[in-house]
Amino acid sequence: ETGVTQSPTHLIKTRGQQVTLRCSSQSGHNTVSWYQQALGQGPQFIFQYYREEENGRGNFPPRFSGLQFPNYSSELNVNALELDDSALYLCASSRSLDRLNTEAFFGQGTRLTVV
Amino acid sequence: QKEVEQNSGPLSVPEGAIASLNCTYSDRVSQSFFWYRQYSGKSPELIMSIYSNGDKEDGRFTAQLNKASQYVSLLIRDSQPSDSATYLCAVNTRNTGNQFYFGTGTSLTVIP
Repeated sequence: ETGVTQSPTHLIKTRGQQVTLRCSSQSGHNTVSWYQQALGQGPQFIFQYYREEENGRGNFPPRFSGLQFPNYSSELNVNALELDDSALYLCASSRSLDRLNTEAFFGQGTRLTVV
Repeated sequence: QKEVEQNSGPLSVPEGAIASLNCTYSDRVSQSFFWYRQYSGKSPELIMSIYSNGDKEDGRFTAQLNKASQYVSLLIRDSQPSDSATYLCAVNTRNTGNQFYFGTGTSLTVIP
C-alpha cells in the first residue's frame, strides 16, 4: 500500500458530461501528478500540482483541469468528455524539494469509461 | 522520436533465470530514472530509482544507468512467477516541468 488513495475506482460517463476524480496524497508528500493511461500504453502526464500551484502540464487540452488543496489532496476535472477519454487515470504523490521530483507513488487508479 | 523507448516484448524467462529489461531515452539532460512494475489491471508500483551512473542493487533487482549512452536497464535475478508483469521505465527532467516520461512497458512472463 502506497498511502495514495483515489476515488472513485470505476466510473461510467456519457459523452459530453463532466467528471471529477479525487486523490489523497501520501502523508508528508506535497506534490501530486495526474496521468492518463490508455490500454497497452505507458502513463501520459496530464499535469502536476506543487503546494497548490500548477507545476507543469502535458499535452492535454484545457478541458482537463485540476486543483490542489491545502492538505495536498487533489482533483482532476474533465469537461465535455469524449470517447477517447476512456482510460485509467492515475494520481502520483511525491515529496518535492524546491520543485525537483523525487520518487512518485501511485494510487490504485480510476477506470473511466465514456460511452 | 519517443522520449522513452522500451522493447514491448513479450519477454519470457524460465523460473530462476535472470530477466534483463532495457530502456533508452532521448533527452540528454534527464536526471532521474525509475522502474515501475504494473500487474494487469493494477496501478504502477515503484521498484527502483537511480540518479547517477553505475549500478544500484536492491535485493533481486539491479538498476544500471549509463547517461553517456542514454540507457537504463533493470536486471531481475532468480526470477519468480510473481515477477510476471509489465515493467515501465520512467524518466524525469527538470527542464520539462518535472513530468515523468514513461515508456510503453515491457511485458515479462516467468515460466515455472
